[in-house]
Amino acid sequence: EAQVTQNPRYLITVTGKKLTVTCSQNMNHEYMSWYRQDPGLGLRQIYYSMNVEVTDKGDVPEGYKVSRKEKRNFPLILESPSPNQTSLYFCASSFRGGLANYGYTFGSGTRLTVV
Amino acid sequence: AQTVTQSQPEMSVQEAETVTLSCTYDTSENNYYLFWYKQPPSRQMILVIRQEAYKQQNATENRFSVNFQKAAKSFSLKISDSQLGDTAMYFCAFMKPPGGSQGNLIFGKGTKLSVKP
Repeated sequence: EAQVTQNPRYLITVTGKKLTVTCSQNMNHEYMSWYRQDPGLGLRQIYYSMNVEVTDKGDVPEGYKVSRKEKRNFPLILESPSPNQTSLYFCASSFRGGLANYGYTFGSGTRLTVV
Repeated sequence: AQTVTQSQPEMSVQEAETVTLSCTYDTSENNYYLFWYKQPPSRQMILVIRQEAYKQQNATENRFSVNFQKAAKSFSLKISDSQLGDTAMYFCAFMKPPGGSQGNLIFGKGTKLSVKP
């Protein structure tokens, strides 16, 4: 089944403890992106990647890192999480040529709570 | 910068009736894409419908249709014969043509739709 898989679905952590949210897609998509969703703000892009070893900042990149060493994986790294990073996170992917036609395929989301 | 505005934070509709969700956007681009995404309580983001700005014909997908008014920068979603399964948060989103750009979807804040039996 074609899908974007995020792990974990839920995570509670403490301030300052490094964490990684994994994202993997099995559709050979070039484009991958991370969004965060906050009440009353909709979804906002954190980072995106147009292909392996090509990443760039989105609208809200502060406090996050990403890497794209393989085409299928695009992990989101929080080196020193803070409470303002408590949010619902989505990974998404698409064929570069199909992004406008089909939009993104989204993962199921990761609910992160930083205490 | 592009912005997307959904002016109705919450709406409700009776089952089998029709409801329209509003969306306006601001851009200086001439070519772009518009989307409606549905987010049910499961949190999954599901693409409902899309529209290319250069197409004058309004997009339709089964019970879902849009009213795209380019000059007014308006992109409303009409749901006909509402079903209980339509209960969800609905997000309007804007995207510039991706070619080389960040492929960023600019989302509105969402409209929470409740379908009542």
